[in-house]
Amino acid sequence: AQTVTQSQPEMSVQEAETVTLSCTYDTSESDYYLFWYKQPPSRQMILVIRQEAYKQQNATENRFSVNFQKAAKSFSLKISDSQLGDAAMYFCAYRSAGGAQKLVFGQGTRLTINP
Amino acid sequence: GAGVSQSPRYKVAKRGQDVALRCDPISGHVSLFWYQQALGQGPEFLTYFQNEAQLDKSGLPSDRFFAERPEGSVSTLKIQRTQQEDSAVYLCASSSTQGADGETQYFGPGTRLLVL
Repeated sequence: AQTVTQSQPEMSVQEAETVTLSCTYDTSESDYYLFWYKQPPSRQMILVIRQEAYKQQNATENRFSVNFQKAAKSFSLKISDSQLGDAAMYFCAYRSAGGAQKLVFGQGTRLTINP
Repeated sequence: GAGVSQSPRYKVAKRGQDVALRCDPISGHVSLFWYQQALGQGPEFLTYFQNEAQLDKSGLPSDRFFAERPEGSVSTLKIQRTQQEDSAVYLCASSSTQGADGETQYFGPGTRLLVL
């Protein structure tokens, strides 16, 4: 079974600075998808960014980018120019490319933005 | 367009009561998922539908949990004889399964269930 680990329960960053959230996963599959979701205090889970495992190029969405290291099974999220609205729980998630459609989530990282 | 909606947003139940939680997926989305999120934890998979077919129910914690999607659109998660350990946020998600966006699940706001 696949597992996802987020080793940082909490992180904090100064507004306008850059922060990196860590995620590692364990799988025997070669094709899969990885996601970062954001869950603000209102609890609506919002997709931040996704990465297809077959793509070597790291995904980027505005201020959000990932560092995908397939061999190391690492998928970190970098947030540049942090804003107060970035404060939330961030979850890393894994999904198989075939077969099981479910998302497997990590435990989450609570990100605080200091003004 | 409209996102995933869930109702009720909050539910308080006495131990032993039955509850029903509703999910309205994004229009046209074929796949529908239910997750359970305990306080301070990541969501955990409960069950998955493709249209009206329940293809995976491996995450349902006991036979007190039952889900249905009879017409391939709205889904209901039912919990019978609720227990205190059922207290959690229940999240619903849907995805289109087609095109470049087909692998992305879009989540509803969740139903917070408190069992007293």
